[in-house]
Amino acid sequence: KAGVTQTPRYLIKTRGQQVTLSCSPISGHRSVSWYQQTPGQGLQFLFEYFSETQRNKGNFPGRFSGRQFSNSRSEMNVSTLELGDSALYLCASSPGRPEDSPLHFGNGTRLTVT
Amino acid sequence: QKEVEQNSGPLSVPEGAIASLNCTYSDRGSQSFFWYRQYSGKSPELIMFIYSNGDKEDGRFTAQLNKASQYVSLLIRDSQPSDSATYLCAVNNAGNMLTFGGGTRLMVKP
Repeated sequence: KAGVTQTPRYLIKTRGQQVTLSCSPISGHRSVSWYQQTPGQGLQFLFEYFSETQRNKGNFPGRFSGRQFSNSRSEMNVSTLELGDSALYLCASSPGRPEDSPLHFGNGTRLTVT
Repeated sequence: QKEVEQNSGPLSVPEGAIASLNCTYSDRGSQSFFWYRQYSGKSPELIMFIYSNGDKEDGRFTAQLNKASQYVSLLIRDSQPSDSATYLCAVNNAGNMLTFGGGTRLMVKP
């Protein structure tokens, strides 16, 4: 089975711009979660989508949003980029419940905001 | 605020020794516990998961869970230089929302 695929791998954006990141989950997985990793804050949960519905949301401002399509692929969007949004953004997929299958992460998208 | 605490290290062990990594968590209702390994510049890779009190072994790795003490640990036997990485403890709170500790950097010296 192919793993979780994230595109693009690297992005450089300017402050104030917006960005869209994409994630294709493992085939058959209906849950897609997004995490942000920074040196200062570590790995933090952004949100989770399951069957096109947001199931859980972390403590991030409304500039961070996401969606999931009927084929389970997911996108996250960050608007009005700030320097502090520079981070590794990780997507993970799961069949549904963590007790069914732990999360497996994609290779991530490294976003640099200048 | 649900928290997961790990010693940041670095934890330095000689090759062939046992490395012991520890993690405590604040949410007594947590049900699922995970250990991820992350090499520099790479994404986290799942090493072990444990749901029940006690020990769970997989090759050179053993995860230990004590829910009464809110403590989970990872033992790595016969440590190899290739085990040098940051080890992240994660606790499941709801759905697939994981709370991660800050990670422990392990260095295995030849």
